[in-house]
Amino acid sequence: QKEVEQNSGPLSVPEGAIASLNCTYSDRVSQSFFWYRQYSGKSPELIMSIYSNGDKEDGRFTAQLNKASQYVSLLIRDSQPSDSATYLCAVNVRSGYSTLTFGKGTMLLVSP
Amino acid sequence: EAQVTQNPRYLITVTGKKLTVTCSQNMNHEYMSWYRQDPGLGLRQIYYSMNVEVTDKGDVPEGYKVSRKEKRNFPLILESPSPNQTSLYFCASSLSGRSNQPQHFGDGTRLSIL
Repeated sequence: QKEVEQNSGPLSVPEGAIASLNCTYSDRVSQSFFWYRQYSGKSPELIMSIYSNGDKEDGRFTAQLNKASQYVSLLIRDSQPSDSATYLCAVNVRSGYSTLTFGKGTMLLVSP
Repeated sequence: EAQVTQNPRYLITVTGKKLTVTCSQNMNHEYMSWYRQDPGLGLRQIYYSMNVEVTDKGDVPEGYKVSRKEKRNFPLILESPSPNQTSLYFCASSLSGRSNQPQHFGDGTRLSIL
């Protein structure tokens, strides 16, 4: 069973702090990794994609990938109350194909 | 506006009454997929389609049917719905079936089977 694991949280951080969200995956052949944000009752919204080891930055968001250790993380700098949502890690577990396996998500709460 | 459109957004129905949830995308995407989301279980894939007339089972296909007769449409059919199919359903699409293509989601359909 190929799995994607996330801490369910909630992860509570004060406004302005850095939020760190982590994800581990079991399939070594996974090649593509995505972070989605989902507000309660809404659809998942793509935030970041990362395909190679290292860091990828986009505004306040940084995705980090370490294929040797099979983990991917998302850092949110200068966290805002509007960042409060569930963050879903998604991994393609069939090499070369778009089929994704999602983690169950980590709830982030940013307090003013 | 590029989007994935699902209908209906909400539906309450009874056990055994056939229903169809439609999904349409206007981005000329080849890959389309259906997911269900349940508390504590996360998003699970039901069926996916790599292109017209090409469909395959995901992780939880039992009780569902799909078809892909046109590139833009990918309806989800519940021939004889049961209460355990009460869930939040999402349709998603991506440019192609290649692994580096992110998926874009519709707004969701909240389905209640009584």
